[in-house]
Amino acid sequence: DGGITQSPKYLFRKEGQNVTLSCEQNLNHDAMYWYRQDPGQGLRLIYYSQIVNDFQKGDIAEGYSVSREKKESFPLTVTSAQKNPTAFYLCASSIGFNTEAFFGQGTRLTVV
Amino acid sequence: QQQVKQSPQSLIVQKGGISIINCAYENTAFDYFPWYQQFPGKGPALLIAIRPDVSEKKEGRFTISFNKSAKQFSLHIMDSQPGDSATYFCAASNRGNKLVFGAGTILRVKS
Repeated sequence: DGGITQSPKYLFRKEGQNVTLSCEQNLNHDAMYWYRQDPGQGLRLIYYSQIVNDFQKGDIAEGYSVSREKKESFPLTVTSAQKNPTAFYLCASSIGFNTEAFFGQGTRLTVV
Repeated sequence: QQQVKQSPQSLIVQKGGISIINCAYENTAFDYFPWYQQFPGKGPALLIAIRPDVSEKKEGRFTISFNKSAKQFSLHIMDSQPGDSATYFCAASNRGNKLVFGAGTILRVKS
């Protein structure tokens, strides 16, 4: 089955901790993205990558970091510098910018 | 220049009615306009998309209308059903620009 897999589905973080959200795709897509979704708000872009070993900041990159060591994988780390990390995080991939983006099922992160 | 403005924020429609969601963009270089549907707790999924060489695209009960001169596009859901209740996002992009999403519309279809 081709698609995007995000894990875990639910994640709880203590204040001051870094956590890493996993995103894996087997669609052979070059571009991958991380979005944050808050209740009643749209999708805000955190980071994106067009190619392995390269990534760009999106609109709300502060407090987040990413890596793209493999085409299939684009993990997101939510650092302790992110002051309000509780949100629904979505990973997506596409062949290019102006083609269909496929989304994972999301990770809901809660700070406890 | 990069914004996509979506309205309304929420919409309630009777079963069998027509749901209409509108989006406006500023960047005239955009050439790909998709609509995504998202159910609670799930990731968005592509519903239908249009490119500016056509003014309308229909897939089943879903239609995109595109007005290039007005820089607007809209989603029409005919014969709306309770199962259509979801959040809908419009978006826009081109080869050199990543997808820009609207703020979303929460649709509720009353049975």
